[in-house]
Amino acid sequence: GAGVSQTPSNKVTEKGKYVELRCDPISGHTALYWYRQSLGQGPEFLIYFQGTGAADDSGLPNDRFFAVRPEGSVSTLKIQRTERGDSAVYLCASSAGGATEAFFGQGTRLTVV
Amino acid sequence: AQSVTQLDSHVSVSEGTPVLLRCNYSSSYSPSLFWYVQHPNKGLQLLLKYTSAATLVKGINGFEAEFKKSETSFHLTKPSAHMSDAAEYFCVVSSGTYKYIFGTGTRLKVLA
Repeated sequence: GAGVSQTPSNKVTEKGKYVELRCDPISGHTALYWYRQSLGQGPEFLIYFQGTGAADDSGLPNDRFFAVRPEGSVSTLKIQRTERGDSAVYLCASSAGGATEAFFGQGTRLTVV
Repeated sequence: AQSVTQLDSHVSVSEGTPVLLRCNYSSSYSPSLFWYVQHPNKGLQLLLKYTSAATLVKGINGFEAEFKKSETSFHLTKPSAHMSDAAEYFCVVSSGTYKYIFGTGTRLKVLA
């Protein structure tokens, strides 16, 4: 596709449930990022992939959060035992690597009720 | 360590008047700086970027920003606001690696 695609666009889940959020980056982009944007805030870094490996996962808030990118393209952000505080927009971005600009998807709005 | 401060959470201007959105940064290394815009229910869109070339950077939709190292600033300007400019604007710093640090955003309101 032409841009970064995220699915679903909206997800409502019950507290304690498991969710998966998917990101399809721009074709050929080796770098992939996940950010979380809470209401009224700027996006906050979660994790960065270079190829298949997570080069930096220092932004993941706790061990309930995990992300994979098994073939170096599509990535899935996984959240276990969701809490109401996890409600936010989760943004994915990709870039050609290095200091090149990142292109963002439209995000997945997660609501935990 | 890097950080970015957007000095105004909200800015209101009349249509046709100049826009100034202020951003100060802190970086241990020569930074790359970006401005992104986010329209309601839309993704983040890059307006412009500074990566150690010309200090005056021109972006899309008539926006520009000037990198001032002595003031550690990267303010966003536009000579004449349009109704379609109403959105949330984010200043972003990166130290040449992968991690973007976002400011808290400035919501621009354009009055008719």
